[in-house]
Amino acid sequence: QKEVEQNSGPLSVPEGAIASLNCTYSDRGSQSFFWYRQYSGKSPELIMFIYSNGDKEDGRFTAQLNKASQYVSLLIRDSQPSDSATYLCAVKLKGAGNQFYFGTGTSLTVIP
Amino acid sequence: GAGVSQSPRYKVAKRGQDVALRCDPISGHVSLFWYQQALGQGPEFLTYFQNEAQLDKSGLPSDRFFAERPEGSVSTLKIQRTQQEDSAVYLCASSLMGRVADQPQHFGDGTRLSIL
Repeated sequence: QKEVEQNSGPLSVPEGAIASLNCTYSDRGSQSFFWYRQYSGKSPELIMFIYSNGDKEDGRFTAQLNKASQYVSLLIRDSQPSDSATYLCAVKLKGAGNQFYFGTGTSLTVIP
Repeated sequence: GAGVSQSPRYKVAKRGQDVALRCDPISGHVSLFWYQQALGQGPEFLTYFQNEAQLDKSGLPSDRFFAERPEGSVSTLKIQRTQQEDSAVYLCASSLMGRVADQPQHFGDGTRLSIL
């Protein structure tokens, strides 16, 4: 079982809608959770990180963490065509050095 | 610029050749990471440095892969006797502090390596 699982998609939403991206992880010792956006041929770009249970909002983005259920999600409100990209979930395990474990990413397309 | 800089952006080599990939992290960043990203996959961890010390190299796929960061700044990932399966994008990332668990990693644009 991979440490981090994401639905590879593709996920398509109309412009202005809410896009919901989900990620589950296997290790209960995971302590830090990160969402990256990656455009085709580009490097991963940090969007948000979250450490505590609950919601964290930043502009149109909201990260949600539920450690009991071992999932973390990213909501994108008022989706724009420029949000079309692959979204990578990354998890850092407690005490596992500093490496991140990445999911395979979810491809999002926002349709104008 | 203030970001992580990698060079070259693209590298084509014949099977069996040695290659060297360079990473210049964000100034002041203690931690440096190398990842390998195959097409359609997420980045896979290769190795991690805290300053000049290589603290984790568990992700290096074989002894043909070698990384160094001699002065705690610029790092080089070397691949000897390259094989076709080495073709991938090699990403470098840096973060501010080594021991603090929660620091996000900032990525460079990567080196796209193609082995013919």
